[in-house]
Amino acid sequence: AQSVTQLGSHVSVSEGALVLLRCNYSSSVPPYLFWYVQYPNQGLQLLLKYTSAATLVKGINGFEAEFKKSETSFHLTKPSAHMSDAAEYFCAVSETGRRALTFGSGTRLQVQP
Amino acid sequence: GAGVSQSPRYKVAKRGQDVALRCDPISGHVSLFWYQQALGQGPEFLTYFQNEAQLDKSGLPSDRFFAERPEGSVSTLKIQRTQQEDSAVYLCASSLAGRRDTEAFFGQGTRLTVV
Repeated sequence: AQSVTQLGSHVSVSEGALVLLRCNYSSSVPPYLFWYVQYPNQGLQLLLKYTSAATLVKGINGFEAEFKKSETSFHLTKPSAHMSDAAEYFCAVSETGRRALTFGSGTRLQVQP
Repeated sequence: GAGVSQSPRYKVAKRGQDVALRCDPISGHVSLFWYQQALGQGPEFLTYFQNEAQLDKSGLPSDRFFAERPEGSVSTLKIQRTQQEDSAVYLCASSLAGRRDTEAFFGQGTRLTVV
């Protein structure tokens, strides 16, 4: 079964600083990869997805992620953090032969003023 | 409504009680998923429907968990004889097509607390 590892359960950055949230996956076949954001008491919202087209994927709210097969990584970045980016971020992989998503354990992003 | 709607938003159940959680997916969405999200964890897959057919129920943790989608739209997740370990947020998601790359839209979830 495929799995997803998110390094760092909590990340704190200053407003205006670079955001880097790490995600590594385990798969022998290039998977489909997703980043979701969850605000308090809300459902998950798709930020971006990789589906074997361009390796650099741009999403909503200024986020982007780069698929690196050699590193089995799909890290999420944003050049300049905003207070409104404070939320929980989940990396997920679509398993081969299944429709379900396998999620990482999440990274809570805090943005300090 | 335009999004996935779940009810109730909060449910407190006494241990041993049966509960039913409802999901109204986005109209026309073929695929419907249920996930369980424990506190501080990522969502974990429970079951998947394509229209009214339950194609994957490999994530259901025990035979106390049962899901149905009889007419291919609204779905109900039922938990019989609830236990404390069932306390979690139950998320429903729907997507337009059955492909792996199709975006899934999530509801706000039902927070179940078993006391």
